[in-house]
Amino acid sequence: SQKIEQNSEALNIQEGKTATLTCNYTNYSPAYLQWYRQDPGRGPVFLLLIRENEKEKRKERLKVTFDTTLKQSLFHITASQPADSATYLCALDSDTGGFKTIFGAGTRLFVKA
Amino acid sequence: EPEVTQTPSHQVTQMGQEVILRCVPISNHLYFYWYRQILGQKVEFLVSFYNNEISEKSEIFDDQFSVERPDGSNFTLKIRSTKLEDSAMYFCASGSNILAKNIQYFGAGTRLSVL
Repeated sequence: SQKIEQNSEALNIQEGKTATLTCNYTNYSPAYLQWYRQDPGRGPVFLLLIRENEKEKRKERLKVTFDTTLKQSLFHITASQPADSATYLCALDSDTGGFKTIFGAGTRLFVKA
Repeated sequence: EPEVTQTPSHQVTQMGQEVILRCVPISNHLYFYWYRQILGQKVEFLVSFYNNEISEKSEIFDDQFSVERPDGSNFTLKIRSTKLEDSAMYFCASGSNILAKNIQYFGAGTRLSVL
């Protein structure tokens, strides 16, 4: 069955450093992959989408890479700030061909001042 | 900035009762979704809706659940005969078009507590 894995352990980093989060997937051949941010008690917020033919995508301090051979995406936040503290979710569309998005469990990021 | 609106923010119900969770998607969006998130767990897909019919549904979305778009603005999730395990946060989401396929904008959620 299709599976998405994100590091379930929280990531603690110092302000100003680069945070790198990992998303691995199995039994998928996604055309694209998305990253969302979720704050406690709130709905996910879309951050970035990367297509299978794109190696890298950037938006301000965010960078996403997508390696379809390794079946992995990396999500980077450069010059991290305490306000970046949140849970970051990786999301893929199911191979069923309909509109079904599967979310990973997310990685909790804590940025210390 | 347009946003997805969900009501109520918190719904308390007795086991066995029916609940209707309401959502107003972003006005020009065409794709609509419901998700649930049990406390401390991941966001789980329930159902997607496009062109006035269900596009896809998960194993969770059994006969107890139904969705409806009764007019041009609202999108509802009905849960018949609620169970204790239905207690969760329910999120509605909407998306705009096929070129931005499945980029979804989420509401703030409805917290459902089944007693």
